[in-house]
Amino acid sequence: KAGVTQTPRYLIKTRGQQVTLSCSPISGHRSVSWYQQTPGQGLQFLFEYFSETQRNKGNFPGRFSGRQFSNSRSEMNVSTLELGDSALYLCASSLLGGAGTGELFFGEGSRLTVL
Amino acid sequence: DAKTTQPTSMDCAEGRAANLPCNHSTISGNEYVYWYRQIHSQGPQYIIHGLKNNETNEMASLIITEDRKSSTLILPHATLRDTAVYYCIRRGTSYDKVIFGPGTSLSVIP
Repeated sequence: KAGVTQTPRYLIKTRGQQVTLSCSPISGHRSVSWYQQTPGQGLQFLFEYFSETQRNKGNFPGRFSGRQFSNSRSEMNVSTLELGDSALYLCASSLLGGAGTGELFFGEGSRLTVL
Repeated sequence: DAKTTQPTSMDCAEGRAANLPCNHSTISGNEYVYWYRQIHSQGPQYIIHGLKNNETNEMASLIITEDRKSSTLILPHATLRDTAVYYCIRRGTSYDKVIFGPGTSLSVIP
């Protein structure tokens, strides 16, 4: 079956702009979580959605937001982009939200460059 | 806050077993230990997970100590394609934040 699909794979924005990234989970998976990966900070948890509700949020400013639709697809948005937002943004889906037996399946990521 | 410790880097000769350790300062009774790996610029890939007992699948074996604060991922016959960063994480049954540490960069050497 198809894996986790993230779009776009690469994008370039300038400071002050906003960006929306999309994630389509594996069919039947209801949990989607988002991560930011940078060389300096590594993989950092952004938020997790399950059944259209945000269940947990990492330590990121309010410029970072997300949502999940009824078909489990998820989007994340970053407003007022800063240079430090340049990163690989990864999405993962899981059959079970937050449960110990729900392994995460990651997409290939969206690489954002802010100029 | 609970802390996860892994070696920064390790080398392993091709064909030999790679043993990657992981230590948790604390781990709750309902938290599983998961292992993932990330090959350069790709999304992390699930390897294996366990709660108390040792586990084995087609990719690897997982050894968990009795107090569950330490685990070892074993790649029985490392190949060059196993060169990657390996992460161990705790994941409980509530909607906890998923915390990735810096991981171990494994280099498999011909």
